[in-house]
Amino acid sequence: GESVGLHLPTLSVQEGDNSIINCAYSNSASDYFIWYKQESGKGPQFIIDIRSNMDKRQGQRVTVLLNKTVKHLSLQIAATQPGDSAVYFCAEAPSGGYNKLIFGAGTRLAVHP
Amino acid sequence: EPEVTQTPSHQVTQMGQEVILRCVPISNHLYFYWYRQILGQKVEFLVSFYNNEISEKSEIFDDQFSVERPDGSNFTLKIRSTKLEDSAMYFCASSDRVSGNTIYFGEGSWLTVV
Repeated sequence: GESVGLHLPTLSVQEGDNSIINCAYSNSASDYFIWYKQESGKGPQFIIDIRSNMDKRQGQRVTVLLNKTVKHLSLQIAATQPGDSAVYFCAEAPSGGYNKLIFGAGTRLAVHP
Repeated sequence: EPEVTQTPSHQVTQMGQEVILRCVPISNHLYFYWYRQILGQKVEFLVSFYNNEISEKSEIFDDQFSVERPDGSNFTLKIRSTKLEDSAMYFCASSDRVSGNTIYFGEGSWLTVV
């Protein structure tokens, strides 16, 4: 069945280091993927997205990599800052219908000074 | 930056009572959604709404749930007879079209059923 999962539930990094958050998906029909950041008590905040016809997309301090061969998605955060501390969710949407996002379990990123 | 706003931020209700959660989507958006997140769990899709009708719903969205767009700005989620397991954070979201455009989420309404 459809599933989106995260390899690591908690990731601790030092301020200034790069962070990599990973996500596995099982639905090969998904063709749109999104990373959301969720701070405590707040709603998911869009970070970056990528379509299946791409394997890399860059934003401000963030890069998303998509490996369709192994159904793997990653989020790289450069020069991680204390404000990056949050739970990060990957989400996938099936081809032709982005109404229904399927979220992963989430990874907590803890940034230490 | 335009945002999705939700009220109330927190509601406590007795089991069996009706609850209405309200949302004001981003003004030029046409697609509206409700998701929920039980404490400590992943965000789950409930329902999507377009052109004044439900376009898709999950198995969670049973007959106790309904959505409505009563006017040009509000989008509501009604739970007819709340159960303890309905306790969760409910997120409203919107997007300006269905094909791969960003879905923006509100801050959520925390529902506690006692």
